[in-house]
Amino acid sequence: DVKVTQSSRYLVKRTGEKVFLECVQDMDHENMFWYRQDPGLGLRLIYFSYDVKMKEKGDIPEGYSVSREKKERFSLILESASTNQTSMYLCASSSFGFLGYTFGSGTRLTVV
Amino acid sequence: DQQVKQNSPSLSVQEGRISILNCDYTNSMFDYFLWYKKYPAEGPTFLISISSIKDKNEDGRFTVFLNKSAKHLSLHIVPSQPGDSAVYFCAALTNSGYALNFGKGTSLLVTP
Repeated sequence: DVKVTQSSRYLVKRTGEKVFLECVQDMDHENMFWYRQDPGLGLRLIYFSYDVKMKEKGDIPEGYSVSREKKERFSLILESASTNQTSMYLCASSSFGFLGYTFGSGTRLTVV
Repeated sequence: DQQVKQNSPSLSVQEGRISILNCDYTNSMFDYFLWYKKYPAEGPTFLISISSIKDKNEDGRFTVFLNKSAKHLSLHIVPSQPGDSAVYFCAALTNSGYALNFGKGTSLLVTP
């Protein structure tokens, strides 16, 4: 069964901590994405990557960075966590020529 | 600026009746449109899509209609079932794009 796996379902971190959210896909997809979902704001794109070591900013990249050293893994990094980064984070992957995404189950991050 | 808009945050429908979820978009370059369904604490799952060269696509109880001149699409669910209760996201993609643009979502509640 093909899947996108996010390493944690729930995380609680302190303000100022450096936070790593990991995402792994087993579908050999070229593209990977990080979104955050907030009530009333829908899904907003943070960063995406269309190839190893390539990254592009999405709509809300401030306060985040990403790393893609291997095709199957895409990491989201919160350099210094803040309470306004409390959210549901969703990773997705897709293949060239295929329009839809496959999403992971999400990581609910709470910054206190 | 939100390019995909779902103006109804919520919708309540009785079991067995039709659910109609609406979506408007502003970018005339969008070529593909998709609907995703999301349950709490899970990632969104793909439901149905439509290309801009079509005006209708059906898959079982789900039908998507596209009106390009009005920049409007809608998802019809007939008959609605309690298990359809979820948040539905409309999304769009240009022919040259990588990342989906999502609306804010509509929360559908189907009551017995």
